[in-house]
Order: sequence, then structure tokens, then C-alpha cells
Amino acid sequence: GAVVSQHPSWVICKSGTSVKIECRSLDFQATTMFWYRQFPKQSLMLMATSNEGSKATYEQGVEKDKFLINHASLTLSTLTVTSAHPEDSSFYICSAGRTQYFGPGTRLTVL
Amino acid sequence: GNSVTQMEGPVTLSEEAFLTINCTYTATGYPSLFWYVQYPGEGLQLLLKATKADDKGSNKGFEATYRKETTSFHLEKGSVQVSDSAVYFCALSDQGNRDDKIIFGKGTRLHILP
Repeated sequence: GAVVSQHPSWVICKSGTSVKIECRSLDFQATTMFWYRQFPKQSLMLMATSNEGSKATYEQGVEKDKFLINHASLTLSTLTVTSAHPEDSSFYICSAGRTQYFGPGTRLTVL
Repeated sequence: GNSVTQMEGPVTLSEEAFLTINCTYTATGYPSLFWYVQYPGEGLQLLLKATKADDKGSNKGFEATYRKETTSFHLEKGSVQVSDSAVYFCALSDQGNRDDKIIFGKGTRLHILP
């Protein structure tokens, strides 16, 4: 099946810093990518839909200025958590394409 | 709004036991239903899906039938293996198999003992 990668797989950062997470579709092109957030023992919650060449569509309650999404090419979308705080610590998962192939996730810990 | 409820885990079974993981949904339209699996250290994989009432999705010995009357999509397998140990997510998409949002249940962790 199609492969989606995420980098980094885990990151620890200090409060107030920004963290960038990459999502790549390795063997197919994706005009649409999705970003999810998963808290321990909870569902995956859709944060935003990333569209190549246009602005992302954010779900209600997700701060677009805090979670910056860029989808500059058909194989890469990035999520930047700006001015991270401990409450942003979570597991971030992306998916790509119509069938939504999922990446392995990125665990973010903010100290 | 749309939602998915699945049984809480962890579920622990012996190898070759029969598995059922319950899933019910709430939807305003005519959703497509999915089961995803996440093996340790890996990303989510689509296990099976059903796009309309009475459809049965199947893959790797797992089955689930889209029951509109009971708004359910229970996952079953007749004889589980140790390699089936993973987290299973029930999900729905309210636009069918299109480029649209997927709503997930909380996931059920399955442990299979040898």
C-alpha cells in the first residue's frame, strides 16, 4: 500500500519554542492531507485539512495561528506548533490522499 | 453530530479465541464505516470498510457488517492470532468514500496471549 512518513517521530521541546512536523507521501501525490491529534486513550481528532497550494481548513476550536499548516507540494505538508506549551503535548498524526493513508505519528512533549 | 462509540479495552484473549469488538455510530446522513488497525510502532492501516447498509467488509479473517437498524459495525474474527495484537479504531465518514473527514472512536487495544 501507499506509504506516508512523518518526521520527527518524537520531539521534546521547551515551552515557548516552535516545533515543525513533516508529513510526506512517499510513493504517491496527495492534493489533500489531514492532520489529527490524539490524546492518550482518546480518539483521533481532526485538526485541519491541508490543501496543496491553498490555505488549510481548520476545524472548529483549532487555533490557526498556533497550528500553522503549509502544503507547498503534492508530497509534503508541514504542521508547525508555534509557542508550544505543555498542554500541546500530544500525538500528532497525518494522513494523505482520498483513501487517507496514515503516517506513523509524531509524539510531541513540551516541557 | 456524527460520533462513534466503541467498547473500551484492553481486550485480552487467548490465541484461537473468537473476537468481537463492538462499535455503534450516530450519523445524520448515510455514512461509510471503517475499521482501522494500528500495530505497535506503526501508522493506522485501513482494515476493512462498508459503504452502505447490509454491506460486509472483510480482510485478514476479520469481518464487520453495516447494520443500519442497530447503527452498528461490530468487528469479528473467528480465531485470533498473537499477531492480531494491536489497537483497533472504528470510524465513519459522512461523505462516503470521498476526500472527506473521518470521525474515529477511541480505539480498543487488543492483547492476544499465546
